Amino acid sequence: DGGITQSPKYLFRKEGQNVTLSCEQNLNHDAMYWYRQDPGQGLRLIYYSQIVNDFQKGDIAEGYSVSREKKESFPLTVTSAQTNPTAFYLCASSTKGGNEAFFGQGTRLTVV
Amino acid sequence: RKEVEQDPGPFNVPEGATVAFNCTYSNSASQSFFWYRQDCRKEPKLLMSVYSSGNEDGRFTAQLNRASQYISLLIRDSKLSDSATYLCVVILYTGGFKTIFGAGTRLFVKA
Repeated sequence: DGGITQSPKYLFRKEGQNVTLSCEQNLNHDAMYWYRQDPGQGLRLIYYSQIVNDFQKGDIAEGYSVSREKKESFPLTVTSAQTNPTAFYLCASSTKGGNEAFFGQGTRLTVV
Repeated sequence: RKEVEQDPGPFNVPEGATVAFNCTYSNSASQSFFWYRQDCRKEPKLLMSVYSSGNEDGRFTAQLNRASQYISLLIRDSKLSDSATYLCVVILYTGGFKTIFGAGTRLFVKA
């Protein structure tokens, strides 16, 4: 089955640690996105990538980093510079050209 | 002003009611429009695309008014299972495509 998979579903991070969230898709989509959602809030764009080996900052990129070495994969690293990382992280992908996005099931990150 | 604005609600309606949500967008370069549904603690899922001519999918009707820069979603004969947050999504082209999500409108359908 084609789809987009995020792992892990839940992640706990100690303060000062870097953690990496995985996002893999087998939909052959060119574009991939990372969003952050806080309780009761909308989605905010962290980073996006339209093609392999290229990505752009979204509205809240500070404290995050990404890579796009393969079309299928777009991992997000939450660095220690992100001072308030507790949130619901959603990865999405879409075909090139601004079509509708499809989401993974999300990763819920909590700082302990 | 936000690029995409929605009434956050919540809308509390009885089963069987008709409810309408509006969403306004500020950038005239907006090209594609969608409604997504998000259940509590779940990922957003595409509900329907929105076309200039208006489109219907069962109890759901979406409309686009480019002149006034708003889109709408009408839900007829509301079911308990319609309770969710409805997100308005706009894709605009400004040299590259950009997807913008509204903050969502919460709907509670009561028995």
